[in-house]
Amino acid sequence: DTAVSQTPKYLVTQMGNDKSIKCEQNLGHDTMYWYKQDSKKFLKIMFSYNNKELIINETVPNRFSPKSPDKAHLNLHINSLELGDSAVYFCASTQRWGDSYEQYFGPGTRLTVT
Amino acid sequence: AQSVTQPDIHITVSEGASLELRCNYSYGATPYLFWYVQSPGQGLQLLLKYFSGDTLVQGIKGFEAEFKRSQSSFNLRKPSVHWSDAAEYFCAAYNQGGKLIFGQGTELSVKP
Repeated sequence: DTAVSQTPKYLVTQMGNDKSIKCEQNLGHDTMYWYKQDSKKFLKIMFSYNNKELIINETVPNRFSPKSPDKAHLNLHINSLELGDSAVYFCASTQRWGDSYEQYFGPGTRLTVT
Repeated sequence: AQSVTQPDIHITVSEGASLELRCNYSYGATPYLFWYVQSPGQGLQLLLKYFSGDTLVQGIKGFEAEFKRSQSSFNLRKPSVHWSDAAEYFCAAYNQGGKLIFGQGTELSVKP
């Protein structure tokens, strides 16, 4: 039944490691997003993919690399993790690029870098 | 630059009391506006949205919001708060570049 799912829910790792977060949506949507929510709860878009094509790439360090193997999946790989990467990462999706205002969010992945 | 401001970081209300959460936006044209709620450890759930037309919009869980162009505001209201309403509330505006711009969030605490 889950519309937008993310794995893992929690991720604790050490500085310098490489990790991935996975996102899947079963809504048949064309467009997917990654957001970062910092310790002050501020939400900011990182990336957006439409039909597996990168549409939005905010000013994000190139240690972050999104990958969309198909329309239903958008993964986020992070290299050389830093303390400042600790945050909650949310995946979202919308039916079409033109409907980007109707976004459905996943439950989030809490990343802690020690 | 387009922005969304929620002036109140934290609000505490008594259960059964009315609630109003403030949201102001900075935009050239009338934006699409939204309120989301985030319960502890959960993702964001859409409460309501405004695109055009009637400036008073109804949402889920008994919430409503009123768009006031003259004040660039989109305040969220609920006549009687329940303990389960304790959560973080986010106002957001849709940027024509395909982005949702979020406010800083307002944390709502409910006293018994």
